[in-house]
Amino acid sequence: AQSVAQPEDQVNVAEGNPLTVKCTYSVSGNPYLFWYVQYPNRGLQFLLKYITGDNLVKGSYGFEAEFNKSQTSFHLKKPSALVSDSALYFCAVRGGSSNTGKLIFGQGTTLQVKP
Amino acid sequence: GAVVSQHPSWVICKSGTSVKIECRSLDFQATTMFWYRQFPKQSLMLMATSNEGSKATYEQGVEKDKFLINHASLTLSTLTVTSAHPEDSSFYICSERQETQYFGPGTRLLVL
Repeated sequence: AQSVAQPEDQVNVAEGNPLTVKCTYSVSGNPYLFWYVQYPNRGLQFLLKYITGDNLVKGSYGFEAEFNKSQTSFHLKKPSALVSDSALYFCAVRGGSSNTGKLIFGQGTTLQVKP
Repeated sequence: GAVVSQHPSWVICKSGTSVKIECRSLDFQATTMFWYRQFPKQSLMLMATSNEGSKATYEQGVEKDKFLINHASLTLSTLTVTSAHPEDSSFYICSERQETQYFGPGTRLLVL
């Protein structure tokens, strides 16, 4: 069965410091991995995805994520955090081909960036 | 990315009434759309997969007679919460998928 784990309910970081939001997954076959961000009372905004190719994926707003097959991880990173990055972040995985299978979400990690 | 809209963005209704939420794919003909439910500070729970021109596929534990889904065109799917009760109060989000899944802005439902 597919699953996604985000081990941290909340991550706190000072503005200007690097940030990491962790995600590990379990899926049969090749994983399709996604990161989304959610601001209060809003839907999910797509940040980035890994389907195939380079393990380091760059996305919106300066975020990037590294696919690590051996550790089954897809951690989200940003070199320098902004206060405006404070939001709820979801990692998601889909197994199988790109247009089949359900998108499974992690439980979410709240990122708090303090000035 | 794709653009998905939802209407209304929020709704307050009395217990026992029905509420319809519309989800539109504005720039993509979506044969499949998804409906999610989200409780405060929790993850998204897939409720059902909406299929254009055919019956929706509901997840285990989701009452199909309670949450009616209609996907009559390639750009519109609707979710009707029938005989709503306070426990149906939640944030409902629709989604459509190409290689990437894109989400609507959500509808906040409050049942009094």
